[in-house]
Amino acid sequence: NAGVTQTPKFQVLKTGQSMTLQCAQDMNHEYMSWYRQDPGMGLRLIHYSVGAGITDQGEVPNGYNVSRSTTEDFPLRLLSAAPSQTSVYFCASSGETTGYSPLHFGNGTRLTVT
Amino acid sequence: QKEVEQDPGPLSVPEGAIVSLNCTYSNSAFQYFMWYRQYSRKGPELLMYTYSSGNKEDGRFTAQVDKSSKYISLFIRDSQPSDSATYLCAMSARENFNKFYFGSGTKLNVKP
Repeated sequence: NAGVTQTPKFQVLKTGQSMTLQCAQDMNHEYMSWYRQDPGMGLRLIHYSVGAGITDQGEVPNGYNVSRSTTEDFPLRLLSAAPSQTSVYFCASSGETTGYSPLHFGNGTRLTVT
Repeated sequence: QKEVEQDPGPLSVPEGAIVSLNCTYSNSAFQYFMWYRQYSRKGPELLMYTYSSGNKEDGRFTAQVDKSSKYISLFIRDSQPSDSATYLCAMSARENFNKFYFGSGTKLNVKP
């Protein structure tokens, strides 16, 4: 029972490089989202999706792109990495798009941009 | 001003103590209130959630919501070293229930 799986676990990038953080869930959840976690800032929503083909911006979307071609996968793309994007990134999913349902989190990707 | 405020701690208690963790918030539209536990280098896992006001108990954990004061609490009875983790509160409003606002987390250390 995998739940939400994130890859890679760790990544170091140089400024200006691009990369994709992968997120997959096997719970058939329609809602998926990306958060970043920084010391003293809590979890902040980057982008979210309520189903395949539907995405929207969260609180801190600049510098990140998402797409949702399948129910299972929700990759996060960094187009041109900046040191300010050094953070821990969490993918989360929930089973409801029309009512409250708690979030299920992956174990995160720790990204350092030098 | 942040939507949700939470004391970062750290909070250090002896094993067996009663622990009180708290969050305050500013948005009166919040209706769903959650507590997550996060161990080091892991993702947050849901502990409890409540809707609107009142208390909810689950084993050693009790969640309280006071909407009039915009204040929520998590109590841990008979705390154990395995409870040592960071505790995050989170909340959302009914009209935008999938937009969660998180506190910055309180780090708890339960000493044997």
